[in-house]
This record gives sequence, C-alpha cells and structure tokens, in this order.
Amino acid sequence: AQTVTQSQPEMSVQEAETVTLSCTYDTSESDYYLFWYKQPPSRQMILVIRQEAYKQQNATENRFSVNFQKAAKSFSLKISDSQLGDAAMYFCAFGGATNKLIFGTGTLLAVQP
Amino acid sequence: GAVVSQHPSWVICKSGTSVKIECRSLDFQATTMFWYRQFPKQSLMLMATSNEGSKATYEQGVEKDKFLINHASLTLSTLTVTSAHPEDSSFYICSARYHGGRNQPQHFGDGTRLSIL
Repeated sequence: AQTVTQSQPEMSVQEAETVTLSCTYDTSESDYYLFWYKQPPSRQMILVIRQEAYKQQNATENRFSVNFQKAAKSFSLKISDSQLGDAAMYFCAFGGATNKLIFGTGTLLAVQP
Repeated sequence: GAVVSQHPSWVICKSGTSVKIECRSLDFQATTMFWYRQFPKQSLMLMATSNEGSKATYEQGVEKDKFLINHASLTLSTLTVTSAHPEDSSFYICSARYHGGRNQPQHFGDGTRLSIL
C-alpha cells in the first residue's frame, strides 16, 4: 500500500525568505502523480502544484517549486519569497492506480513578519 | 475554472436527524467525486468515491447505511448523514475531478462543518 510521510509537523519562515517542506512516499507503481495542497485557516483545500512521475523536470508555479527525486521517493516543496498569505497547513498527496489521493499528515507553516 | 461548491458550509442539528450535504462542480463535468472527513489538526480521511450513475465505493470502516452517497449527475453528488449523533460531528469536504482520469487533480469544495447536539 502507498504511504505518504511528512516528517515536519510545523515549520516557520520569515517573510521574504525561502522554506522547504519535505515529503516522502512509498509505492511500487511507476506511473503516478504527486500534489501539494494548501489548507489555510478557512479550511479550503487549494492545489498548489503537481508533478507527473514520468517527467524528470521539476514543476514550478511562480514562487512554488518542487524537488522531485523519483529514485529516493522524495517530493519536497520550496516556497520562495514567503508571504504572510502562505501561512497554512500544507498536505502532500500521492495519486496512483487506485484513482484515490493518499494524503500525508500535513505541515503547518507559520510566516513571521 | 474548476470551481466546486459545497453546501451548506455549517450546519447544527439535533441528534437523530438526517443531514444532507451537496457538492456541485460549477464549471466542469465531474465523472468522479470524493467525500472526505477531517478531524481537527488532522489530515483528510477518504470516506468514499462516488462515480456518476453508479454506487459509491466506501472505504473500509465507513458505514454505508450511515453515510449515504448519491451521484445522480456529472455535476452533483450528495452525502446524507443519517440519524446523526454527536460522534458524527466533523468537517466534511468533497472534491471533484475532471473526466480524464487520475492525472487530473482533485478540486475541493469549501467544506461543511457539521455539529450534532
């Protein structure tokens, strides 16, 4: 069975600085998708970025980028130029052959002004 | 694009009543919808997968008769919590995915906070 591990329950970053959230996963599948979702205090789940496993190039969306290491089964999220609005719970998720999303336990990111 | 509307956003009701939560994809057709439950400071727990025109697939440990799911059209799925009790109080979130398979991300509704007195 697939598992997703986020080893950092909480992280803190200064405004305008860069922070990296870690995520590792375990799977025997070769074709899958990885996602980062953001959940602010409003509790809405917002898609931040996604990565197709067959693509070697790391996905980038403005200030958000990933470091995808397929062999190591690692999928970290880098947030550059952190803003106060980035404060939220961040969930890493795995999407494989079952069509379901497997979520990690989340990392609560605080942004200090 | 990819807007999912969930209603109601907050409901309080007495123990023993049934509560219906609606999940609508407003600007796309969703072949598959998902229902999650989230406890405070925890991750999302998948309850069931709902496919248009067929019976929902429930995760292990989720009571089918307690949580009734209907996906009658490509834009609407409903979750009915039957004979709700205080232990059913939680945050329920739906998501919808474009037709096209698992490479498409799930788009989430804003969630429903359910409080059973």
